[in-house]
Amino acid sequence: SYVLTQPPSVSVAPGKTARITCGGNTIGDKVVHWYQQKPGQAPILVIYYDNDRPSGIPERFSGSNSKNTATLTISRVEAGDEADYYCQVWDNPSGHYVFGTGTKVTVL
Amino acid sequence: EVQLVESGGDLVQPGGSLRLSCAASGFTVSRKYMSWVRQAPGKGLEWVSVIYSGGDTYYADSVKGRFTISRDNSKNTMYLQMNSLRAEDTAVYYCAGEDWNDRGFDYWGQGTLVTVSS
Repeated sequence: SYVLTQPPSVSVAPGKTARITCGGNTIGDKVVHWYQQKPGQAPILVIYYDNDRPSGIPERFSGSNSKNTATLTISRVEAGDEADYYCQVWDNPSGHYVFGTGTKVTVL
Repeated sequence: EVQLVESGGDLVQPGGSLRLSCAASGFTVSRKYMSWVRQAPGKGLEWVSVIYSGGDTYYADSVKGRFTISRDNSKNTMYLQMNSLRAEDTAVYYCAGEDWNDRGFDYWGQGTLVTVSS
């Protein structure tokens, strides 16, 4: 089965840039989506199709995807960005959806 | 306004059964790609099952043969029938929807807790 690997945690100072990686075998050939989940809440979609933002998501959130790594970038980090972040792909051969292991972003 | 409301979570003994419901408002369940996603306490997200707008269904290996996804178009509701429950099925179960396949889950319910324990 397809596996997506994320760093367990990322720490960043307010106003700086946070980068969260998502590693997978030739993930660059797939479409990657990213979710933000705050404690006690359901996830919300923050990036779809590698680098598109749903309405209401700040431009500070962006994504990229190439070869074996996808990246979610949060610019000018704010305290409210502190949350768990998950990448996700659809694995075409199996028809299964796969989530990454998740990254906890801490704002210092 | 789009809203998904899960129900049916409960405490159940190992080997028991439970049926979860996901009632939708603001859109038509049969026109979306609807999934169940679960999250064990303190753990990450795990996709469980999907039902396509055309009716095709897929399951994670961990639940295949034990869980069944379905929908009732007249009630605009999706279901997850869970049989032969195990302790490792303990989780918050979310229903989630995509406008089409591989669009990303734009729609989420608030979750319902399933606890499997004796």
